[in-house]
Amino acid sequence: GAVVSQHPSWVICKSGTSVKIECRSLDFQATTMFWYRQFPKQSLMLMATSNEGSKATYEQGVEKDKFLINHASLTLSTLTVTSAHPEDSSFYICSASSLGLRQETQYFGPGTRLLVL
Amino acid sequence: AQKITQTQPGMFVQEKEAVTLDCTYDTSDQSYGLFWYKQPSSGEMIFLIYQGSYDEQNATEGRYSLNFQKARKSANLVISASQLGDSAMYFCAMREGDWYSSASKIIFGSGTRLSIRP
Repeated sequence: GAVVSQHPSWVICKSGTSVKIECRSLDFQATTMFWYRQFPKQSLMLMATSNEGSKATYEQGVEKDKFLINHASLTLSTLTVTSAHPEDSSFYICSASSLGLRQETQYFGPGTRLLVL
Repeated sequence: AQKITQTQPGMFVQEKEAVTLDCTYDTSDQSYGLFWYKQPSSGEMIFLIYQGSYDEQNATEGRYSLNFQKARKSANLVISASQLGDSAMYFCAMREGDWYSSASKIIFGSGTRLSIRP
């Protein structure tokens, strides 16, 4: 139980294009979803928190117009990197939590590696 | 101010030996949770163990135990009888705030890379 998937697992795109990453909770309804970014050999940095049906809350220093987050349903959140540039190349990981599960923790997706050329 | 500190960027341990990964934290909240996650080279985050601030007993999950010393604000992970498959990055993390809120954030330490020697 408590499986989170991400799609795609790998994406390579040209500079200036937009990339959408999906995060799905497969067997539970996610009250809240989180998006993290991890650069090589670094820790996970929280980018934003999203609750179903409401606007995401972004962490300080994260551009909301560049990283668009939509949490349209209790099982799906999307992160769109708009006008991607090489410095956006990173490992993006989502996680989900639910009041109905072990609410002390989050369940992580497998991550999406983004390479912007 | 850094809230989760992992002072060991890398560790080498002989297979079958026990290993302790250090973690200290800083918070003014009375209610908080501490976690350890394992991240193998594939990148997935694997939940290992959880300790609530009000839990009196140290948490244990199989070969993993969490040495929780509240007064010292430390939450070290102990892996007994290490295996080659334990080689990975290990992150200590903390969740502050409302215990019953699924929206409370988890923040991560910088990680420790553990390598198990055969």
